[in-house]
Amino acid sequence: DGGITQSPKYLFRKEGQNVTLSCEQNLNHDAMYWYRQDPGQGLRLIYYSQIVNDFQKGDIAEGYSVSREKKESFPLTVTSAQKNPTAFYLCASRLDGDQPQHFGDGTRLSIL
Amino acid sequence: RKEVEQDPGPFNVPEGATVAFNCTYSNSASQSFFWYRQDCRKEPKLLMSVYSSGNEDGRFTAQLNRASQYISLLIRDSKLSDSATYLCVVNGLSGGYNKLIFGAGTRLAVHP
Repeated sequence: DGGITQSPKYLFRKEGQNVTLSCEQNLNHDAMYWYRQDPGQGLRLIYYSQIVNDFQKGDIAEGYSVSREKKESFPLTVTSAQKNPTAFYLCASRLDGDQPQHFGDGTRLSIL
Repeated sequence: RKEVEQDPGPFNVPEGATVAFNCTYSNSASQSFFWYRQDCRKEPKLLMSVYSSGNEDGRFTAQLNRASQYISLLIRDSKLSDSATYLCVVNGLSGGYNKLIFGAGTRLAVHP
């Protein structure tokens, strides 16, 4: 089945630690996105990538980093500089142009 | 002004009721429009695309008014299972890149 896979489903971070969230898609989509969602709030864009080896900052990129070395993979690293990382992280992808996005089922990150 | 604005609700309606949500967008050049549904603690899922001529999918009808820059979603004969948050999504250009912009969502609660 084609889809977007995020792992892990739950993740705990210690103070001062960097953690990496995985996002893999086999939909052959060009564009991939990372969002953060806090309880009762809307989606906020962290980073996005339209093509391999290229990515752009979204609205809340500080404290996060990404890479796009392969079309199917777009990992997100939450660095120790992100002081309030507890949130629901969603990865999405789409064919470019006017197509809708498809989402993975998310990773919940908490601080220990 | 936010790029995409929605009434946050909640809309509390009885089963069988008809309910309508509106959404306004600021970029007159936007070309693609979608409604997503998000259940509590889950990822958003595409409900339907919105076409210029308006479109219907079962009990759901979407309308687009380009002149006034708003989109609507009508749900007829509400079911308990329709309880969710409905996200209005608009395609927009930012920094030369094409990306989807999500509204904060309208919460619907259908009660017996």
